[in-house]
Amino acid sequence: KQEVTQIPAALSVPEGENLVLNCSFTDSAIYNLQWFRQDPGKGLTSLLLIQSSQREQTSGRLNASLDKSSGRSTLYIAASQPGDSATYLCAVIIPHAGNMLTFGGGTRLMVKP
Amino acid sequence: DTAVSQTPKYLVTQMGNDKSIKCEQNLGHDTMYWYKQDSKKFLKIMFSYNNKELIINETVPNRFSPKSPDKAHLNLHINSLELGDSAVYFCASSQARDHRGYTFGSGTRLTVV
Repeated sequence: KQEVTQIPAALSVPEGENLVLNCSFTDSAIYNLQWFRQDPGKGLTSLLLIQSSQREQTSGRLNASLDKSSGRSTLYIAASQPGDSATYLCAVIIPHAGNMLTFGGGTRLMVKP
Repeated sequence: DTAVSQTPKYLVTQMGNDKSIKCEQNLGHDTMYWYKQDSKKFLKIMFSYNNKELIINETVPNRFSPKSPDKAHLNLHINSLELGDSAVYFCASSQARDHRGYTFGSGTRLTVV
């Protein structure tokens, strides 16, 4: 059974810092990995999608990497801003599971001005 | 706007009542889902429908009955509501055969009193 873990569970940094959020999964046979952002009381916004054949994706100040063999992904946020404060979730899709997403528990990020 | 839209956004009801949550997507996706986010913010799959056919039913009480009149709609009906049903319910869609990313609705916060 696929399990997804995110470390740390919570993170507080001063504005301007570069930071890394970690995601690990137990079954390396994934179709893709998706990073989401969730603001308090809101829905999920897709940030980056990495297909299993890719190693990284970039969007603005965000860079996500994928190492299938070790079952790890990282989300790198450059020059963090207070507006980046949110919960960041990673999720994977595995074969033979009806295309369902298996989520990690999330990392709650606070960027202080 | 292309999106996944669900209604209502908030739902407060008494124990024992029956309620429905509606979801529609105009993205042309072939698969729709219901996810539940509990009080600890953990997201878990409930149901997956592909072209109106049930693909996944993940250990959900049979008081929960999804209905998909067409591939653009997936509604969730809940009978005999219990206090433990209080959660945020998210609808989502994806193009499953391409294993591409998900789009989520903004969520329905259900409170059972």
